[in-house]
Amino acid sequence: DSGVTQTPKHLITATGQRVTLRCSPRSGDLSVYWYQQSLDQGLQFLIQYYNGEERAKGNILERFSAQQFPDLHSELNLSSLELGDSALYFCASSVGPGVKETQYFGPGTRLLVL
Amino acid sequence: KNQVEQSPQSLIILEGKNCTLQCNYTVSPFSNLRWYKQDTGRGPVSLTIMTFSENTKSNGRYTATLDADTKQSSLHITASQLSDSASYICVVSADSSASKIIFGSGTRLSIRP
Repeated sequence: DSGVTQTPKHLITATGQRVTLRCSPRSGDLSVYWYQQSLDQGLQFLIQYYNGEERAKGNILERFSAQQFPDLHSELNLSSLELGDSALYFCASSVGPGVKETQYFGPGTRLLVL
Repeated sequence: KNQVEQSPQSLIILEGKNCTLQCNYTVSPFSNLRWYKQDTGRGPVSLTIMTFSENTKSNGRYTATLDADTKQSSLHITASQLSDSASYICVVSADSSASKIIFGSGTRLSIRP
């Protein structure tokens, strides 16, 4: 158990809908990362927050957005969902913001768009 | 183009045997290289992190090496166990920002009793 929690574990929805994925980092970690893992594209970095502020942005679509709240939990919002958005979405956390920090991954949210 | 290529795609070995997984990258400027272990359907777990100046890093039966000149890394697993069956992913960060994190497609390792 990494100490990172993600909810829900599974999510089934329809095209065009909007969903929110939630992540609680390990106690004491200020940095949160979001990743997408699909069968055809593997793992991709989406976005990073550090202490409430956006720190780095990767291959995140404009239909997706995220935020980190004062209690440090983070949410990833996916809107206008398409079939291709079906994937595992992982959250990871680390103490600091640097790329050399050890990241601890949560168990993931499996999203299925029908 | 920043790329990370891993080989082999899949590997089957007998329990107790050693194996070596390869990672070649064309990422620049290089910041660090990580190896992760990912069990099916679960989040990746960090095994090692190496920066430019580090040649070797060990974590129990896992030993990673890095040759920054040839842009190659390897992950050596000693005395394999059934629990080592997983995907092993090489990840390279291109600069000091997390925005340039490039993942390899992984090596699927199966340990047979």
